[in-house]
Amino acid sequence: QQQVKQSPQSLIVQKGGIPIINCAYENTAFDYFPWYQQFPGKGPALLIAIRPDVSEKKEGRFTISFNKSAKQFSLHIMDSQPGDSATYFCAASLYFSGTYKYIFGTGTRLKVLA
Amino acid sequence: SAVISQKPSRDICQRGTSLTIQCQVDSQVTMMFWYRQQPGQSLTLIATANQGSEATYESGFVIDKFPISRPNLTFSTLTVSNMSPEDSSIYLCSGGDPRYTIYFGEGSWLTVV
Repeated sequence: QQQVKQSPQSLIVQKGGIPIINCAYENTAFDYFPWYQQFPGKGPALLIAIRPDVSEKKEGRFTISFNKSAKQFSLHIMDSQPGDSATYFCAASLYFSGTYKYIFGTGTRLKVLA
Repeated sequence: SAVISQKPSRDICQRGTSLTIQCQVDSQVTMMFWYRQQPGQSLTLIATANQGSEATYESGFVIDKFPISRPNLTFSTLTVSNMSPEDSSIYLCSGGDPRYTIYFGEGSWLTVV
């Protein structure tokens, strides 16, 4: 199963809040899990990434939590700001049919209110 | 990191015509990919662009409709052939090593009328 399920589809938080975006997968062959941030009219930009041998990774206000046994990972945005309003995609890297490729989640549209 | 430039950034095309999108990376990358993204939707992989050989297409995408070239490690093109309104979308080029990180261009916004 090559799907990555992402939720929620959209999210609205107040400035300073901590939005949490969740992703789940079935295939244990996935071995790299990046998050991308996309602003309207722009291409996706890498935000933070994690490997399954690590349970948590922080970069600035962004934290990934990884639960290998549950096959779930999530993005937390600390002290969210209106400038964080964007669409966020989780992804998972898979070696399949002789090559690596990314499988993307369906995306979460985040709006941070001032 | 890698900086990826695409052109055109936006175009309006007539039904039945073809358009070639160019992708230039500022450094050599292991792999290059082409994605399609409907506004407000997720990214769908069209194909992996292989240097010096035929691209590897995902299910639902065929070479006759989306011919791809990759003559070297920093450049690739995607052609959308015999366009119909259903081909209106954002086409994204990406490059890197998916065992680690891939980077995206800004996208080419295509509208077919």
